[in-house]
Amino acid sequence: AQTVTQSQPEMSVQEAETVTLSCTYDTSESNYYLFWYKQPPSRQMILVIRQEAYKQQNATENRFSVNFQKAAKSFSLKISDSQLGDTAMYFCAFNNAGNMLTFGGGTRLMVKP
Amino acid sequence: GAVVSQHPSRVICKSGTSVKIECRSLDFQATTMFWYRQFPKQSLMLMATSNEGSKATYEQGVEKDKFLINHASLTLSTLTVTSAHPEDSSFYICSALDRGWNTEAFFGQGTRLTVV
Repeated sequence: AQTVTQSQPEMSVQEAETVTLSCTYDTSESNYYLFWYKQPPSRQMILVIRQEAYKQQNATENRFSVNFQKAAKSFSLKISDSQLGDTAMYFCAFNNAGNMLTFGGGTRLMVKP
Repeated sequence: GAVVSQHPSRVICKSGTSVKIECRSLDFQATTMFWYRQFPKQSLMLMATSNEGSKATYEQGVEKDKFLINHASLTLSTLTVTSAHPEDSSFYICSALDRGWNTEAFFGQGTRLTVV
């Protein structure tokens, strides 16, 4: 069974600064997908970024980028130029090609003005 | 992106009654849908996986007779909470896998259930 661990229950960052959210996972699979989801106060789950395990290049989406270390089973999310709208719960998730998502416990991020 | 519509967004029911929550994929076919439960300030807990035309697979500890799941078509899955009790009050979220691209799940807006 896969497990996903987010070791930071809460984090805060000043507006316009950079913050990194940590995520580690455990799996015996070689092909899988990793995701970061954002859950704002509305509680709608929003996909932030995804990474295919077979790709060595780290995924980027505008201000969001990941540091994917396959050997270390680490998948951190970097948010640059933080904005007030980035305040939310962030969940790291694992999917082994079409099956269910396994979520980490979440990190509550507060962006301060 | 693909849209999943979940209805209702909020519901209050009396203890002992049943409540049905619908999850629809609006612009794609979903062979597989998932139902999650989320307690305040916690992560999503998978309750069950439903596949179109077959019985749902429930996670350990989830009562299948209490949480009835039906996935009668490629665009609709329903979760019925039967004989609801106050402890069933929670936030329920569905997600669906796009049949053509089944590595990404799309989420509904969630349903806040309050049992009084």
